[in-house]
Amino acid sequence: DAGVIQSPRHEVTEMGQEVTLRCKPISGHDYLFWYRQTMMRGLELLIYFNNNVPIDDSGMPEDRFSAKMPNASFSTLKIQPSEPRDSAVYFCASSPWTGPGNTEAFFGQGTRLTVV
Amino acid sequence: GNSVTQMEGPVTLSEEAFLTINCTYTATGYPSLFWYVQYPGEGLQLLLKATKADDKGSNKGFEATYRKETTSFHLEKGSVQVSDSAVYFCALSRQGAQKLVFGQGTRLTINP
Repeated sequence: DAGVIQSPRHEVTEMGQEVTLRCKPISGHDYLFWYRQTMMRGLELLIYFNNNVPIDDSGMPEDRFSAKMPNASFSTLKIQPSEPRDSAVYFCASSPWTGPGNTEAFFGQGTRLTVV
Repeated sequence: GNSVTQMEGPVTLSEEAFLTINCTYTATGYPSLFWYVQYPGEGLQLLLKATKADDKGSNKGFEATYRKETTSFHLEKGSVQVSDSAVYFCALSRQGAQKLVFGQGTRLTINP
């Protein structure tokens, strides 16, 4: 398996523009997570899905952020409109179900977003 | 709430030195505990885990023991290598939940 695939690897956009980040999880994994990593706040969980259904979106910073998982092999994280403070590395991760609390998350290489 | 606290970095050591990175947690119930490693330009990878008290996780010469009495999960390695230079994250998942809560990460640099 190729692992979790994220695209693009780098994105530079102007403030106010819409940004869409994409993720292909590992086939057969039941859970998909979106994280944001910054120097100031570390690694934050934004939202996660179980079997394509959003379970916890309490980490989504505000209404400008939205995430979808239309099927088991694809998810998007959209920011509209983008702001400079959204600049960060965004990671997608997926995880199989192997028992309660036994989470081994497999991470993609991340998308480095710069909003200017 | 659930949280993880790691020792502040960065940590710089010489090759073959002994490594300890401290990690303590706050959680209800009996969480599972993890160490993840992030090499430059990459995503996080699971390094080791422990799912119940007194369990020891180990991998690639690294070890960590789940200590419920001290709510700790310190990472240790007896002899570090330059290739161990990375950022290390301690994490927990609450009993019955799938999401991971991460510490702030500790940057480790090993000099030859």
